[in-house]
Amino acid sequence: ETGVTQTPRHLVMGMTNKKSLKCEQHLGHNAMYWYKQSAKKPLELMFVYSLEERVENNSVPSRFSPECPNSSHLFLHLHTLQPEDSALYLCASSPTGRETQYFGPGTRLLVL
Amino acid sequence: KNEVEQSPQNLTAQEGEFITINCSYSVGISALHWLQQHPGGGIVSLFMLSSGKKKHGRLIATINIQEKHSSLHITASHPRDSAVYICAVNRGSTLGRLYFGRGTQLTVWP
Repeated sequence: ETGVTQTPRHLVMGMTNKKSLKCEQHLGHNAMYWYKQSAKKPLELMFVYSLEERVENNSVPSRFSPECPNSSHLFLHLHTLQPEDSALYLCASSPTGRETQYFGPGTRLLVL
Repeated sequence: KNEVEQSPQNLTAQEGEFITINCSYSVGISALHWLQQHPGGGIVSLFMLSSGKKKHGRLIATINIQEKHSSLHITASHPRDSAVYICAVNRGSTLGRLYFGRGTQLTVWP
């Protein structure tokens, strides 16, 4: 148990749907991250939040919209996705952003 | 070209063998991480190091800053070590931003 949970674990959605991914950490960390892992590609950072403020937006398409209402929760809102957005989406947290990151189990997303 | 390169891409070993996975990077870094990803996707951080060597159980990680190279060693390998091992680096710039290698798929047969 890493202390970082993600829901749902699996998601299938059509290109016109709107859905949200949720991440929750109970480690008292102040930094949270969204990563995307596509088949045969390295992990890619999407967003970084520190103390609820977004400090990094890695040129992610606007169809992905993050939200960090407090330091324990992180959301990724999805709308009008494309099939190439099918991937494993991983959330992570770290104490202040310069230490070991703790990963959640991921949400496996399939866009039809 | 990826800033972080790992080799080999795939590795098969017999139980008990000594295993080495290599990571080279082409940028200045503040720290290097070794991560383990099991089937199903969950990632566990194994080591974070900025110099020298660290050991945890049967796992040893080393880094040579001058040569921009790190190795992960597994002694007395076991089938439960089968996983993808990922090297990642902090460049010390943007908070917490990691740059990842493509991973090494390790399979240990009994």
